[in-house]
Amino acid sequence: GAGVSQSPSNKVTEKGKDVELRCDPISGHTALYWYRQSLGQGLEFLIYFQGNSAPDKSGLPSDRFSAERTGGSVSTLTIQRTQQEDSAVYLCASSLSPTLDYEQYFGPGTRLTVT
Amino acid sequence: AQKVTQAQTEISVVEKEDVTLDCVYETRDTTYYLFWYKQPPSGELVFLIRRNSFDEQNEISGRYSWNFQKSTSSFNFTITASQVVDSAVYFCALSGGYNFNKFYFGSGTKLNVKP
Repeated sequence: GAGVSQSPSNKVTEKGKDVELRCDPISGHTALYWYRQSLGQGLEFLIYFQGNSAPDKSGLPSDRFSAERTGGSVSTLTIQRTQQEDSAVYLCASSLSPTLDYEQYFGPGTRLTVT
Repeated sequence: AQKVTQAQTEISVVEKEDVTLDCVYETRDTTYYLFWYKQPPSGELVFLIRRNSFDEQNEISGRYSWNFQKSTSSFNFTITASQVVDSAVYFCALSGGYNFNKFYFGSGTKLNVKP
């Protein structure tokens, strides 16, 4: 079946521009996560959505970062006024349940380069 | 505070050798979960195992085995008779506390298996 998809796969933008990254979770998965992976680093939690509940935004690094999830499915991560330190791979994951009985399935990521 | 340390940045072995990837974690929670993920060169993370803090039983799955020791706060991963296809970056992760859906990842260990 279809896995988690993300678009674009690569994005090059100029410093100061806004970018939008998209995540399509696996159909039926109620939980959705965004992570950031900087070069040679582990994954940094950004935000978590569960159904219609308020998202857990505790990992967002600054107010330039925001995310929404429409209709409990597709999610968009927006970075405003991008900075060079925002350059990283942004990973999205989804899981069938918010409990940990179900594993997280990761997408291929969006590689963001801010010049 | 939650923290995961993977001290081995990169390991190189020759095919058929056994290799152990170390993971040390820090948490003040009594209930927590530990995970291992594999990130092959293609980039998509693949779930390998989940362990809860109340289950210290070691687990074996084919050539993979995991050694969970609460006394040393370690959750090490051993690959027996390594193969070239095992080459990847392996991440250890921890979740716990009030928000089990917030994962803390280690910085990863890159495993190179040479033929």
